[in-house]
Amino acid sequence: QVQMVQSGSVVLKPGSSLRLSCKPPRGTLTSYRLSWLRQAPGQGPEWMGRTTPAVGESRDAQKFQGRIFFSADKTTSTVHMELRGLTSDDTATYYCATDRWFGDGTYYFDSWAQGTQVTVSS
Amino acid sequence: QSVLTQPPSVSGAPGQTVTISCTGTRTNIGGYYSVHWYQRIPGKAPRLVMYGNDKRPSGVPDRFSGSKYGTSASLAITGLQAGDEAEYFCQSYDSGLGGSIFGSGTNLTVL
Repeated sequence: QVQMVQSGSVVLKPGSSLRLSCKPPRGTLTSYRLSWLRQAPGQGPEWMGRTTPAVGESRDAQKFQGRIFFSADKTTSTVHMELRGLTSDDTATYYCATDRWFGDGTYYFDSWAQGTQVTVSS
Repeated sequence: QSVLTQPPSVSGAPGQTVTISCTGTRTNIGGYYSVHWYQRIPGKAPRLVMYGNDKRPSGVPDRFSGSKYGTSASLAITGLQAGDEAEYFCQSYDSGLGGSIFGSGTNLTVL
């Protein structure tokens, strides 16, 4: 199962940045494509973007373009996601998950981390 | 606001069958994109329970089944058990938004 390096909860101030880390299950980063998702209270999940460390590619959801950044550390097999310019609307539980291409244009998320609760408040 | 619409809650007694619907539009489910389903139990990682409309991942009991018709999809759970109590949400792709989209989530209560 995918493991979030930082589980539990985080409290950040408006305007600051969020940085989360994720380790895929057995194997190296080259074997996986990882997506980042979040779920705000009372809402459905929201896909934020994905990164493919093996080829250094990433894709962001339109809503987060220019604010979300991905990086990978191959020595520790860890993927990082940074979200800048936080507002209270970014309060949510954040997840990373491995994703699979189904072939008809959709991806599905077959292994999720437990999630990190992020609260943005002054 | 979620692009895919689900009922906020459903319930059933142990042993009964419940069905959770997921309604979209022509740019997602109606555009021939597959629907996938997830189970989220508080304190646990979300779990894939159905992919490609009607395919069960290994480890998911055959009490779970999925279907799709037009701009809607559904997840059926037969022989309800207490352990099925969770939030369920559907997911697909939207060609207008150019990314994955999710339903609003349905809380299943086993009475």
